[in-house]
Amino acid sequence: TQTVSQSDAHVTVFEGDSVELRCNYSYGGSIYLSWYIQHHGHGLQFLLKYYSGNPVVQGVNGFEAEFSKSDSSFHLRKASVHWSDSAVYFCAVSDTGANTGKLTFGHGTILRVHP
Amino acid sequence: ETAVFQTPNYHVTQVGNEVSFNCKQTLGHDTMYWYKQDSKKLLKIMFSYNNKQLIVNETVPRRFSPQSSDKAHLNLRIKSVEPEDSAVYLCASSYWGGAGQLYFGEGSKLTVL
Repeated sequence: TQTVSQSDAHVTVFEGDSVELRCNYSYGGSIYLSWYIQHHGHGLQFLLKYYSGNPVVQGVNGFEAEFSKSDSSFHLRKASVHWSDSAVYFCAVSDTGANTGKLTFGHGTILRVHP
Repeated sequence: ETAVFQTPNYHVTQVGNEVSFNCKQTLGHDTMYWYKQDSKKLLKIMFSYNNKQLIVNETVPRRFSPQSSDKAHLNLRIKSVEPEDSAVYLCASSYWGGAGQLYFGEGSKLTVL
């Protein structure tokens, strides 16, 4: 069974600050890890994913995430946030078998960026 | 740019009525999904189809039935809605073996009175 934990329900920062959104997972096999963003009233947008190789992956709009096998983590970071980054961020896992579209999501982290 | 189109975006109805949500993708993908997002923003997969074939059917009530006419369309019918069906239904698509990367529509918000 896959589980995804996003320990922070809310994160509030000011524009220009750096931010890290945390994600920990539990799964015994080989997985894909991904992050999605959901602006209010909209669907989810893919940000980035990791499967293997360089543990730091780059995504859209200056986001990056770092995989750590020892910590079972895949934290999302951005060096300088903009007010438009205010949204809900979801971490997700899926196994590397045939049905890799079956995502297990975390509960989401609401990011608020004050101008 | 939206390439997964859902209609309607909002629907308000009463308990016991039938509701249908439509989804079309123009990305050329061969796999489509329905996810349910509840009022606490929790997301869970309901169904997935690959080339019109049902692949995943999570434990959802029998009143939910997906329908696929071709690989670009996946509709969701709810035969007799219940209050707990109030949620946002998100359609998504990917290539088979999409490696965790899905493309979502804007969602269809259902309110059951």
